[in-house]
Amino acid sequence: GQSLEQPSEVTAVEGAIVQINCTYQTSGFYGLSWYQQHDGGAPTFLSYNALDGLEETGRFSSFLSRSDSYGYLLLQELQMKDSASYFCAVGGNYGGSQGNLIFGKGTKLSVKP
Amino acid sequence: DAGVTQSPTHLIKTRGQQVTLRCSPKSGHDTVSWYQQALGQGPQFIFQYYEEEERQRGNFPDRFSGHQFPNYSSELNVNALLLGDSALYLCASSSRTGVGTDTQYFGPGTRLTVL
Repeated sequence: GQSLEQPSEVTAVEGAIVQINCTYQTSGFYGLSWYQQHDGGAPTFLSYNALDGLEETGRFSSFLSRSDSYGYLLLQELQMKDSASYFCAVGGNYGGSQGNLIFGKGTKLSVKP
Repeated sequence: DAGVTQSPTHLIKTRGQQVTLRCSPKSGHDTVSWYQQALGQGPQFIFQYYEEEERQRGNFPDRFSGHQFPNYSSELNVNALLLGDSALYLCASSSRTGVGTDTQYFGPGTRLTVL
């Protein structure tokens, strides 16, 4: 089967850096994605790693190590608006585009003043 | 450029009833996936439609069925509703015509409550 593990909650203060880890077990692997979801909102795409290494997008970075089945999302210069749930997800590559996504249970990030 | 839209936003049904949820994909997208998200959980994949056919299916009973129309919009139907079907139903669109792996864009969801 497929499963993803990530911490259920993380708390940090404004301006700090926080890292959300994700370990996965999958029968096939085509990449690790990260999504952000505010309460009552839709998941929004943050980043995607298909290969080992670090991907940087503004204040957010994501890392993948396929040999360790491990990845993380790094959020820098935290702002209050970053308070949300963050999901890691693995997906299949189906005919050149993403197939279904398997999501972790999510990490609820609370940013304090 | 309109994103993914879903209707209705909220719905209340009673056990045993049937429900139909609707989704219009983002402009330029041809693939629609449906997910169920229970409170405090991650989204769970229900099925995916492409070229008006179900291409992949998650671990959901046959009470869950769907359809995709020629304009790529999609419907999710749930029959014989159970209390446990209460959840946020998310539609996500993507494109199979791009090169490599494309991002899935989610709609705002339909909150279904079964009483």
